[in-house]
Amino acid sequence: ETGVTQTPRHLVMGMTNKKSLKCEQHLGHNAMYWYKQSAKKPLELMFVYNFKEQTENNSVPSRFSPECPNSSHLFLHLHTLQPEDSALYLCASSQEMGEQFFGPGTRLTVL
Amino acid sequence: QKEVEQDPGPLSVPEGAIVSLNCTYSNSAFQYFMWYRQYSRKGPELLMYTYSSGNKEDGRFTAQVDKSSKYISLFIRDSQPSDSATYLCAMSPPGTYKYIFGTGTRLKVLA
Repeated sequence: ETGVTQTPRHLVMGMTNKKSLKCEQHLGHNAMYWYKQSAKKPLELMFVYNFKEQTENNSVPSRFSPECPNSSHLFLHLHTLQPEDSALYLCASSQEMGEQFFGPGTRLTVL
Repeated sequence: QKEVEQDPGPLSVPEGAIVSLNCTYSNSAFQYFMWYRQYSRKGPELLMYTYSSGNKEDGRFTAQVDKSSKYISLFIRDSQPSDSATYLCAMSPPGTYKYIFGTGTRLKVLA
């Protein structure tokens, strides 16, 4: 595996489900990010982790819960989501505050 | 006023044309600038990363930053149908992990 990988690529869930998104980076970076991408809107930064420590939480609702067990892995735990949370969720990594490299994203649909 | 403004397009050009994509911004503290290409249903792919003002060239791509006008550009020479995608600009001041993204410009290169 190279670059940034994300699983699953597609996810459909009901509003009462609990699911998790997984991201893994193979670039040796020390920072990882979660972004939300909705149609016709700019990428919205959700969370940033640097060396496993959360450095940014962009006023994200508590139904999104990040976890960063080490500098290569990042999870986004989802529970009791709303239909408006349907979007493409992108993971990225960087070395320090440098250029960010993105994964392919998880297309999430909340019914 | 948005921090970063980007015309959503679509911009349609004939194959072989020179394409100019632009973003304007309001925060004079921005020092780091990135351009991404995003194909449909894929994650953003980093094209160019520049610091402060000036030009940077990579193959058919040239990134230009004019900090006095708060204006950045991406030029694509000899455009190809495979360049058809959405192009995102992103920028950041120093000392932060938080990049601000434009909404993206959709480009269509017609064969």
